[in-house]
Amino acid sequence: GAGVSQSPSNKVTEKGKDVELRCDPISGHTALYWYRQSLGQGLEFLIYFQGNSAPDKSGLPSDRFSAERTGGSVSTLTIQRTQQEDSAVYLCASSQGTSGSRGNIQYFGAGTRLSVL
Amino acid sequence: RKEVEQDPGPFNVPEGATVAFNCTYSNSASQSFFWYRQDCRKEPKLLMSVYSSGNEDGRFTAQLNRASQYISLLIRDSKLSDSATYLCVSPPGNTGKLIFGQGTTLQVKP
Repeated sequence: GAGVSQSPSNKVTEKGKDVELRCDPISGHTALYWYRQSLGQGLEFLIYFQGNSAPDKSGLPSDRFSAERTGGSVSTLTIQRTQQEDSAVYLCASSQGTSGSRGNIQYFGAGTRLSVL
Repeated sequence: RKEVEQDPGPFNVPEGATVAFNCTYSNSASQSFFWYRQDCRKEPKLLMSVYSSGNEDGRFTAQLNRASQYISLLIRDSKLSDSATYLCVSPPGNTGKLIFGQGTTLQVKP
């Protein structure tokens, strides 16, 4: 596709419910990243995928958070038993690779704005 | 100490002014850096990459000082449209993930 696509763009859920956020990376990009941005805060790294494997999950805040990627393309971030502190914008990015060269320039989707009531 | 630190500002400058932001990083192994721009309620977009001592693109100049471990972004002849938050970004080695600074907010006034 032309850019990174995320859905839904907005999600309102009740505390305790599970949510799934989807990311479609730029076609041909092997690396995919999830970040979280709370109101007025910087971006917080959650997890990244190289192909279908996740070499670094260090940013996932708790075991309620999980992510998977299939076919080296679409990724889903799942939050179980949502809490109010999970409210944030969840941003997905993709890059051609992960090396320190120009290959790791990351391009972002517009994000999913999650509100947990 | 945070891995990437920025002065959050806000920097309020008149149109036409020159403004500079600094960003310090703690990981001396970092080889490349980026400046991203983020408009209100939008996703970050790449502004400039810095792979060696610096980079220049029109009114924007980025410089890297490895000895002092800081990166700067200089904006000349500020425009109203430059108003945004500027994020300093470092990939720590070749791990893939990006470490973002908290961002510096710029407001250009008429």
